Amino acid sequence: DQQVKQNSPSLSVQEGRISILNCDYTNSMFDYFLWYKKYPAEGPTFLISISSIKDKNEDGRFTVFLNKSAKHLSLHIVPSQPGDSAVYFCAASALQGAQKLVFGQGTRLTINP
Amino acid sequence: GAGVSQSPSNKVTEKGKDVELRCDPISGHTALYWYRQSLGQGLEFLIYFQGNSAPDKSGLPSDRFSAERTGGSVSTLTIQRTQQEDSAVYLCATLADTQYFGPGTRLTVL
Repeated sequence: DQQVKQNSPSLSVQEGRISILNCDYTNSMFDYFLWYKKYPAEGPTFLISISSIKDKNEDGRFTVFLNKSAKHLSLHIVPSQPGDSAVYFCAASALQGAQKLVFGQGTRLTINP
Repeated sequence: GAGVSQSPSNKVTEKGKDVELRCDPISGHTALYWYRQSLGQGLEFLIYFQGNSAPDKSGLPSDRFSAERTGGSVSTLTIQRTQQEDSAVYLCATLADTQYFGPGTRLTVL
């Protein structure tokens, strides 16, 4: 039972363009969502989060959008840079915080020069 | 150190042997998690320690898996009688405002 799904295993984007990574969830009790970024041979690192009381959170080049009615969130990166090439994991929690996270399968983003 | 550390970074073992994986958390972080990432899969929750409370073991896939956390600090994940399907990257994380992950231990069971 995959409660958090990232249906695109990979995404390729040209440098300078917008990258859009998508995530769907099934559990309506989820109220806090996060994106993590993972480079090879390293652990995931926190990127950005959003609470269910908001529909958008922005941090520099990174913006997360939440559509609760569709149970969908997305991460926008603009402009995309080569250093953004990594695996991105979407995660969700039903505890208003990061105490117990359910992760998606990840999307491998490649930024092409 | 400043971050979560894990050892060994790589472990190759033979089927049927026991392995121990170690996690050194960030000092002062009271919650500690173990996850597993199999090839092409997401992060699978295994076990969660919070202070002196009983650990949440709901993610452990079988009774061959166990973990302990001594003195609220270092944690050890033990896998007994390893199987080939146990091959994965095992990640440890600790909690402050968010979860902070170690670099993982890549386990290969031959």
